[in-house]
Amino acid sequence: RKEVEQDPGPFNVPEGATVAFNCTYSNSASQSFFWYRQDCRKEPKLLMSVYSSGNEDGRFTAQLNRASQYISLLIRDSKLSDSATYLCVVLRVSNMLTFGGGTRLMVKP
Amino acid sequence: NAGVTQTPKFRILKIGQSMTLQCTQDMNHNYMYWYRQDPGMGLKLIYYSVGAGITDKGEVPNGYNVSRSTTEDFPLRLELAAPSQTSVYFCASSRALSNQPQHFGDGTRLSIL
Repeated sequence: RKEVEQDPGPFNVPEGATVAFNCTYSNSASQSFFWYRQDCRKEPKLLMSVYSSGNEDGRFTAQLNRASQYISLLIRDSKLSDSATYLCVVLRVSNMLTFGGGTRLMVKP
Repeated sequence: NAGVTQTPKFRILKIGQSMTLQCTQDMNHNYMYWYRQDPGMGLKLIYYSVGAGITDKGEVPNGYNVSRSTTEDFPLRLELAAPSQTSVYFCASSRALSNQPQHFGDGTRLSIL
């Protein structure tokens, strides 16, 4: 089993739609969680950290469920510019990040 | 505002050649990392460093070497290039605190033929 698993997609949604991605992790000792965004042939960039109580940043909402070991990302009112690959990232105790394979989102006009 | 700078951006190597991928950061970060990303896959950690003079292996270190003589620089060395090392290589840095995000360079696209 992979340490961090994501549905690779692609998720094809129309502009204005709400879309949600899930990510599961296998190491219960994982201590920090992030969503990164990666545009085609570009470097990953931090989208948001994921806190235990859940957190929101504009149209983006992240949730963490430690009991079930999954993380989610909800995007409301999708924009064309949201088209990208979203990487679920888990930080181990050793300060090493483990990346999921990414979920590809394509927002259509 | 440079951040993390990688050179070169593109390179084609022949099997058996060697090369060094350069990475430098100007944010005074203690932690630096090298990842590789194969097409359609996530990033895999090759080596990392928690400070000058200290390096450690990640998930996929075979075929690579690193050094960290200064806080700013973290070069990655390929000694005997193999086709399996064709990939995009990303260097990243972060502060020492565990909940700090990593900042990535633009990547080096390496093809081995």
